[in-house]
Amino acid sequence: DQQVKQNSPSLSVQEGRISILNCDYTNSMFDYFLWYKKYPAEGPTFLISISSIKDKNEDGRFTVFLNKSAKHLSLHIVPSQPGDSAVYFCAASLILTSGTYKYIFGTGTRLKVLA
Amino acid sequence: EAQVTQNPRYLITVTGKKLTVTCSQNMNHEYMSWYRQDPGLGLRQIYYSMNVEVTDKGDVPEGYKVSRKEKRNFPLILESPSPNQTSLYFCASSLSPAGTSEAFFGQGTRLTVV
Repeated sequence: DQQVKQNSPSLSVQEGRISILNCDYTNSMFDYFLWYKKYPAEGPTFLISISSIKDKNEDGRFTVFLNKSAKHLSLHIVPSQPGDSAVYFCAASLILTSGTYKYIFGTGTRLKVLA
Repeated sequence: EAQVTQNPRYLITVTGKKLTVTCSQNMNHEYMSWYRQDPGLGLRQIYYSMNVEVTDKGDVPEGYKVSRKEKRNFPLILESPSPNQTSLYFCASSLSPAGTSEAFFGQGTRLTVV
């Protein structure tokens, strides 16, 4: 049961345009959402996060939007640059009965920014 | 430089031959975890550790063991590897297990079991 879904395995965007990566989730108990970027032969690196009590968080060219009623979040990259070409993972944070947290990751979306 | 170091980066082994993948972090993080990445399945958590001598199972723990004798190290042990454990493995650490704490990942270990 995939609680965090990224339904688009890949996305191609022209340099300078907006990239929109989408993520859907099923568990209303998630309290934080994070985006990670992964280049080939490297580990994922943190990009941006958003609390479940907010609907938008912005950091430079990157903005994450959260729509709790639709259980949907999206990452906007404006303007897109060739260096943004990578796999993007959406992750959700869930508190467990033990009091600790765990991340649940989506399957990833491969973004290709065309020069 | 703050980092999570995994070794080896690549490993080919035979079924049943015990192996250990090491993971070390230099950020004094309490929380460490292991993930495997498989096509179409994303990153799935194998085991995690909240602190020294405190470990617990993630979503896919079968066939794996871990230990946390020191804060900085969190090795992943495959006692009897099987071909279905062929995967890309990542170790991660974070300051706390809280959702607000970003995870730092190692560069990955690509394991092939034949």
